[in-house]
Amino acid sequence: EPEVTQTPSHQVTQMGQEVILRCVPISNHLYFYWYRQILGQKVEFLVSFYNNEISEKSEIFDDQFSVERPDGSNFTLKIRSTKLEDSAMYFCASSEGGDLDNSPLHFGNGTRLTVT
Amino acid sequence: AQRVTQPEKLLSVFKGAPVELKCNYSYSGSPELFWYVQYSRQRLQLLLRHISRESIKGFTADLNKGETSFHLKKPFAQEEDSAMYYCASHPDTGRRALTFGSGTRLQVQP
Repeated sequence: EPEVTQTPSHQVTQMGQEVILRCVPISNHLYFYWYRQILGQKVEFLVSFYNNEISEKSEIFDDQFSVERPDGSNFTLKIRSTKLEDSAMYFCASSEGGDLDNSPLHFGNGTRLTVT
Repeated sequence: AQRVTQPEKLLSVFKGAPVELKCNYSYSGSPELFWYVQYSRQRLQLLLRHISRESIKGFTADLNKGETSFHLKKPFAQEEDSAMYYCASHPDTGRRALTFGSGTRLQVQP
């Protein structure tokens, strides 16, 4: 069964550095998402992406964050200048369609980002 | 604001006992509700959605609009049901952002 893959599984970075988290969505899926989960807290929506543009974003997704689909397979999340509070598990997800009732999200295993 | 509440962080039961994982939502409209599960060292995955009214791995969940609840139930718990369970929702306004509850860890003891 096809899966969403994320790399790396764990990323350690220093405060103020830029990080890029990578995801390869399922190949026939058209909608892509990033969620994050700070340790001990809820899974929170960051952004959704469709047709090469952001379709929806949360308040968390400020100017420090950006997403890109640089080629036909990768979907990346960039954090320009990391802060300590960016430490979290970041989940990529994809869905075949935009109707979540009929096109459920498929999640990757996550990238644990640790900002020191 | 949309809110999904899972009041229990941990639910521990013995094998064969009934399970009910609670979920309450607060929306003005008719939200679409889901249960996601994360087994140890595995990815978050969809367990079931209310619109399909299905039973997956013996689990069912009924939307109760009067009580604004979507509790997950299973009559006889199995050890392999031990996992983290998340209730999630999105409003029926065409938005695709899921709002998750804080999750309940289910421990099924032998």
